[in-house]
Amino acid sequence: SAVISQKPSRDICQRGTSLTIQCQVDSQVTMMFWYRQQPGQSLTLIATANQGSEATYESGFVIDKFPISRPNLTFSTLTVSNMSPEDSSIYLCSVVSSPISYEQYFGPGTRLTVT
Amino acid sequence: GENVEQHPSTLSVQEGDSAVIKCTYSDSASNYFPWYKQELGKRPQLIIDIRSNVGEKKDQRIAVTLNKTAKHFSLHITETQPEDSAVYFCAAKFGGSNYKLTFGKGTLLTVNP
Repeated sequence: SAVISQKPSRDICQRGTSLTIQCQVDSQVTMMFWYRQQPGQSLTLIATANQGSEATYESGFVIDKFPISRPNLTFSTLTVSNMSPEDSSIYLCSVVSSPISYEQYFGPGTRLTVT
Repeated sequence: GENVEQHPSTLSVQEGDSAVIKCTYSDSASNYFPWYKQELGKRPQLIIDIRSNVGEKKDQRIAVTLNKTAKHFSLHITETQPEDSAVYFCAAKFGGSNYKLTFGKGTLLTVNP
């Protein structure tokens, strides 16, 4: 499976600021996704990162709050904008490597704390 | 809407016993069902998956079964070991979705030595 890295691994931010999280894959992948996992909770899909076009957001998530870029087939960024304590969570990227396989693999996550 | 229900939310077993976690899904067109294991502070790890054209799949001590008629699938872990202790998530790819997964709420499995 692809090797996925995320930066930063964790951060503590003040409310009202923004943080950009990077997701890098060691090979070209078919699909990239961004998830949020709140403490003790399951995984919630934020959006599908589309290469060269606007991301596709799930219900409850909007581009102004979570702008996403995917300039190529190995890299994506998620920005958490105008943060509030409710944004404290783990943010994970995931990838589907092959168009004929549905297998989805996760990055190590970014633990965000907003004070 | 698309929904995956997972039970139980917590499960405690003795080492060597079997553990079974069950999930039901809402969309009869769903065609892919993975299971993830997440240890504390780690990323979710894909441990086994099954497609809708298969009824059962095994990999050493773990197996997944699928009942399409009833729209449920289960994870079976035999001869449990303390290192199996983790949160397990089921997921489903709903028909028509572009590789997107919907996750269950998770099961905290504790294997007592």
